[in-house]
Amino acid sequence: SYELTQPPSVSVSPGQTASITCSGDKLGNKYACWYQQKPGQSPVLVIYQDNNRPSGIPERFSGSNSGNTATLTIRGTQAVDEADYYCQAWDSSTVVFGGGTKLTVL
Amino acid sequence: QVQLVQSGAEVKRPGASVKISCKASGYSFSSYFLHWVRQAPGQGLEWLGVINPGGGATNYAQKFQGRVAMTRDTATRTVYMELTSLRSDDTAVYYCAREAKSCTDTRCYPTHYMDVWGIGTTVTVSS
Repeated sequence: SYELTQPPSVSVSPGQTASITCSGDKLGNKYACWYQQKPGQSPVLVIYQDNNRPSGIPERFSGSNSGNTATLTIRGTQAVDEADYYCQAWDSSTVVFGGGTKLTVL
Repeated sequence: QVQLVQSGAEVKRPGASVKISCKASGYSFSSYFLHWVRQAPGQGLEWLGVINPGGGATNYAQKFQGRVAMTRDTATRTVYMELTSLRSDDTAVYYCAREAKSCTDTRCYPTHYMDVWGIGTTVTVSS
């Protein structure tokens, strides 16, 4: 079965750029999306189809996807961005999630 | 506005079944697929499957084949997810989530990502 691999944790200082990766076999040939989840809340879509932001998502969130790696980038990271982030793709009629990355802003 | 309202928390014994509901409002119920995703305590997201409310067709994750059933009631705009033979490791928050659509002038396409999520239903399996 298809697998997506994320680093368990990423740390970033306020105002700096955070990059969270998601790796999978030929992931660049599929669409990737990203969800943000804060404690006790439902996931929120922040990037879809590799690099598109839903309405209401700040411009500091961006995405890319090439080769075997999709990347979520947060420029000018703020304390409010501290959360868990999950990548997701579709393979063989199955939704696949990455294991999640805890972003710490310190 | 678009909303998915889920049923309340459940506590079940091992071996029992649970049936959770997800009531949709604010959009055309039959036009958007609905997925079920769960999250065990302190763990990541896990996909259970998807239902097409329009025709009732379903697609389940292989892990849950034979143990999960997703149904819908178009009159009440509600989808249901039933999980049987519950075990302690089924303890989780269960979310329903709407799959977004991408439309041109002439037709719409599935996108396989989820743009609206319910607040979740906590299911606790304990003896």
